[in-house]
Amino acid sequence: DTEVTQTPKHLVMGMTNKKSLKCEQHMGHRAMYWYKQKAKKPPELMFVYSYEKLSINESVPSRFSPECPNSSLLNLHLHALQPEDSALYLCASSQLQGTGYTFGSGTRLTVV
Amino acid sequence: GNSVTQMEGPVTLSEEAFLTINCTYTATGYPSLFWYVQYPGEGLQLLLKATKADDKGSNKGFEATYRKETTSFHLEKGSVQVSDSAVYFCALSISGSARQLTFGSGTQLTVLP
Repeated sequence: DTEVTQTPKHLVMGMTNKKSLKCEQHMGHRAMYWYKQKAKKPPELMFVYSYEKLSINESVPSRFSPECPNSSLLNLHLHALQPEDSALYLCASSQLQGTGYTFGSGTRLTVV
Repeated sequence: GNSVTQMEGPVTLSEEAFLTINCTYTATGYPSLFWYVQYPGEGLQLLLKATKADDKGSNKGFEATYRKETTSFHLEKGSVQVSDSAVYFCALSISGSARQLTFGSGTQLTVLP
């Protein structure tokens, strides 16, 4: 298995909703990442997990809450989002040594 | 710090034309270099990579050579197809315990039949 699987592919949520994005990989990668991508822009790093521990939080608002329950799963919990949070949310995983780095196909989030 | 500067787009070419997308970088340490491609409505796919100076990455007719002396990693393809229309991102990472990718701004390529 050489894929990073993200669900759902599309999500529409209201500003008072709570939802979660899910990411799964079975490549044995011990680093996992959340990126946010706005249209026509490069991905922006949000969070990095290394050995299931949060190692980097790029000053992301608390309405985004990451969770890494085990070495294969990564979640992003969403609460009280704003319309400007609408974007493509990408999960990625990588080896800690070497150069393997794999992206999922993303969740396209719309906040209404 | 680390940064990647990419050729401004959009780029529009006719089918079978030659493609070059310029990419230069600044980095502390010895980076690995990547080209990612993003087709409309999709995530990022690794197109090719190079991990040390003078390495050439290649895939699907695309090539890029890691030039340490000019800190460049330009993407080339001899004959583009309509199906190559996408956004192309140059990126680098520095080896470490958990590596972040530093991206260029992206170049939109449109190939016309």
